[in-house]
Amino acid sequence: GQNIDQPTEMTATEGAIVQINCTYQTSGFNGLFWYQQHAGEAPTFLSYNVLDGLEEKGRFSSFLSRSKGYSYLLLKELQMKDSASYLCAVVPSYNTDKLIFGTGTRLQVFP
Amino acid sequence: EPEVTQTPSHQVTQMGQEVILRCVPISNHLYFYWYRQILGQKVEFLVSFYNNEISEKSEIFDDQFSVERPDGSNFTLKIRSTKLEDSAMYFCASSDVSSYNEQFFGPGTRLTVL
Repeated sequence: GQNIDQPTEMTATEGAIVQINCTYQTSGFNGLFWYQQHAGEAPTFLSYNVLDGLEEKGRFSSFLSRSKGYSYLLLKELQMKDSASYLCAVVPSYNTDKLIFGTGTRLQVFP
Repeated sequence: EPEVTQTPSHQVTQMGQEVILRCVPISNHLYFYWYRQILGQKVEFLVSFYNNEISEKSEIFDDQFSVERPDGSNFTLKIRSTKLEDSAMYFCASSDVSSYNEQFFGPGTRLTVL
């Protein structure tokens, strides 16, 4: 089966740093995406990792370890508008382009 | 910035009725997808579509579901006889390179089956 685990909820303070973890057990692997989803809205792309290591993009960074089946999304200098759900999604093999999503992590940023 | 659009934003229907959800993918994209998200649950893959045919579908995408690209711009999802459990947000997505590039999601259609 395909399984992607994320914490359900996290809280943090404005200006702080938060790390959202994702572990996956899938039949194969061909990339991992992080999406942001505000309530009632569509997921929007944040990052993509297919090789091990860190990808940095402004205040957001994403890390992947394929041997551990593990990724994290790091958000720095948190702002109130970062309050949203963060979805980890895996492409589970080389011959598919479907995304398998985790349940998402709801992040609340407090002043 | 180009974006995926979906209509209607909200559709209410009676159980057993047919519904058609419409999407206009980004114009130079070649790969199209439908996902759904039941309230409070995770986003689930329904179907992918390339070169005018289904390339993959999930177990959810049974005979009650169909997709079509009736012209060069629209991509539709039809549910022939809706059930209560079809109530969900339906997202259309498109990408220009399979698997190696991001899928751009539309704003979604909230389907409510009464």
